[in-house]
Amino acid sequence: GAVVSQHPSRVICKSGTSVKIECRSLDFQATTMFWYRQFPKKSLMLMATSNEGSKATYEQGVEKDKFLINHASLTLSTLTVTSAHPEDSSFYICSAVTATGELFFGEGSRLTVL
Amino acid sequence: DAKTTQPPSMDCAEGRAANLPCNHSTISGNEYVYWYRQIHSQGPQYIIHGLKNNETNEMASLIITEDRKSSTLILPHATLRDTAVYYCIVRLGGANQGGKLIFGQGTELSVKP
Repeated sequence: GAVVSQHPSRVICKSGTSVKIECRSLDFQATTMFWYRQFPKKSLMLMATSNEGSKATYEQGVEKDKFLINHASLTLSTLTVTSAHPEDSSFYICSAVTATGELFFGEGSRLTVL
Repeated sequence: DAKTTQPPSMDCAEGRAANLPCNHSTISGNEYVYWYRQIHSQGPQYIIHGLKNNETNEMASLIITEDRKSSTLILPHATLRDTAVYYCIVRLGGANQGGKLIFGQGTELSVKP
């Protein structure tokens, strides 16, 4: 089946630094990808819709200047957490949609901000 | 907001069938019922989906009531590896229907030896 890969799977950074997380569709092209965050013992919360070649659409309450999304190619979307703080520590998950509407999730990236 | 309601947790004995209910009373006629599961610290995994007929695949069976207001996911012979959070989601299906999923709280299934 289709595979969506995230990198890095785990990252630890210092407060105030920026961290980039990649989401790749390995064997299909995805014009649309989605970014979620998940806190411990909680459900996934949709952050934004990433559209290839255009600006991302952010959900209400998500700061677009804090969470920069770039979808420069049909197989890659990146999420950059800018000026990270400990409260940004979370599990970030992406998903990608195939041309036939099938949806696949990445393995997730765990961010820890010290 | 999520359009589905699920019990927060369930237990099941290993080898027995696990029946996970889901209420989706406001489902639209063109919305499908999807089930995903998430094992700890992993991304969600697709299980099965259906529109109005019952569906079965190698992982599970999906039973949808005639009025489509509720459904049940059945894992016929649960194993310890089936311990996970199970999410029932309604969404439009098929090509060009997008992939925006709104997750509810899911059901935490614990399969016990």
